[in-house]
Amino acid sequence: GENVEQHPSTLSVQEGDSAVIKCTYSDSASNYFPWYKQELGKRPQLIIDIRSNVGEKKDQRIAVTLNKTAKHFSLHITETQPEDSAVYFCAASTGPGGGADGLTFGKGTHLIIQP
Amino acid sequence: DSGVTQTPKHLITATGQRVTLRCSPRSGDLSVYWYQQSLDQGLQFLIQYYNGEERAKGNILERFSAQQFPDLHSELNLSSLELGDSALYFCASSVFASSSGANVLTFGAGSRLTVL
Repeated sequence: GENVEQHPSTLSVQEGDSAVIKCTYSDSASNYFPWYKQELGKRPQLIIDIRSNVGEKKDQRIAVTLNKTAKHFSLHITETQPEDSAVYFCAASTGPGGGADGLTFGKGTHLIIQP
Repeated sequence: DSGVTQTPKHLITATGQRVTLRCSPRSGDLSVYWYQQSLDQGLQFLIQYYNGEERAKGNILERFSAQQFPDLHSELNLSSLELGDSALYFCASSVFASSSGANVLTFGAGSRLTVL
């Protein structure tokens, strides 16, 4: 089955700096790659996603890049703010047509924004 | 509010006991997914139902079972509980997002199970 590795497990950055979280996946058939943010005691919420036919996607301060050849994808957060502090999960889907089916999650990255 | 409703929010029980967690998906959503989140273990997929039928099975123990009823709500039954079953259990339904061009997972608030 699919295996998703996520690094680092903890990332501390100064407010205003950029943060990068990286994930690798094992199944070349994976075709959908979402990122979820989970604040303390809350549910995971989708923040951005990318499909395998796209190399990069941006949404304001957040961007995701995908390298299908190397089987890795990354989350980039620029101009970090205190409210960005949370646990971030990457995931990969082998479900038909991509999406919610067949999602495998990484183990998460605890992002800490230092004031 | 995601529209996915889970009860109870918190549950404390003893080893060897049995509990039932309940989930109501968003109105009209046919799929229900169950995930387990233990400390340092990320989100582990347990099982998925679609319109009453089991569609996919993940790392679900034999002591655990689930079902989806005709009104589309789902229940996750955990029996012969062990200390290691203490975790957050999330239910999710899938919603088509035009910005994604895909069905995306939308999670409920979770049920926190503590086994003493």
